[in-house]
Amino acid sequence: AQTVTQSQPEMSVQEAETVTLSCTYDTSESDYYLFWYKQPPSRQMILVIRQEAYKQQNATENRFSVNFQKAAKSFSLKISDSQLGDAAMYFCAYHLIQGAQKLVFGQGTRLTINP
Amino acid sequence: DVKVTQSSRYLVKRTGEKVFLECVQDMDHENMFWYRQDPGLGLRLIYFSYDVKMKEKGDIPEGYSVSREKKERFSLILESASTNQTSMYLCASSFLGQAISYEQYFGPGTRLTVT
Repeated sequence: AQTVTQSQPEMSVQEAETVTLSCTYDTSESDYYLFWYKQPPSRQMILVIRQEAYKQQNATENRFSVNFQKAAKSFSLKISDSQLGDAAMYFCAYHLIQGAQKLVFGQGTRLTINP
Repeated sequence: DVKVTQSSRYLVKRTGEKVFLECVQDMDHENMFWYRQDPGLGLRLIYFSYDVKMKEKGDIPEGYSVSREKKERFSLILESASTNQTSMYLCASSFLGQAISYEQYFGPGTRLTVT
């Protein structure tokens, strides 16, 4: 079965510090996209960052970066200089290029920012 | 900006009632999706549609049906609501294929309580 595992149900970090959210996934396919989505309290889910599996270079979007380890099937999210607005549920997901055309999500990690 | 709207933010229904959840997107997306979000389980795909009048079962279709009569509108139907269908329901839409890397755009969600 194709799965995504986020082993940290909850994380907290001090404002301005750095935090890393973990994600592992399981697929036998070699071509896919990986995503981190953010769901702020009572607000819509939005895309934070995406990574093409064929690219070795880790994606970066401002304070958000990923550590993509394809062989280990690991896709962690690093948030630098954490801000109060980063508090949210974060979901890791992947989408195959061939095969089932759908996002497969992890269980989510609730991130709290301490002022 | 892409906008995905859902007909209700909060809904309370009685067991056995027929429930309609409506979703509308304004970006001419071919794909539309219905997810259910439960704590500790992440997002699970109920149904999706890649064209008008087309539908595909997701991972948990039991107890649900869908309707897509127009490209911009995708409805989720609970024929006879049960208490185990109490959940947050999220609608999403995306372009077909790899056009923009499978990114999905989400609505604000409908929190359904069945009593």
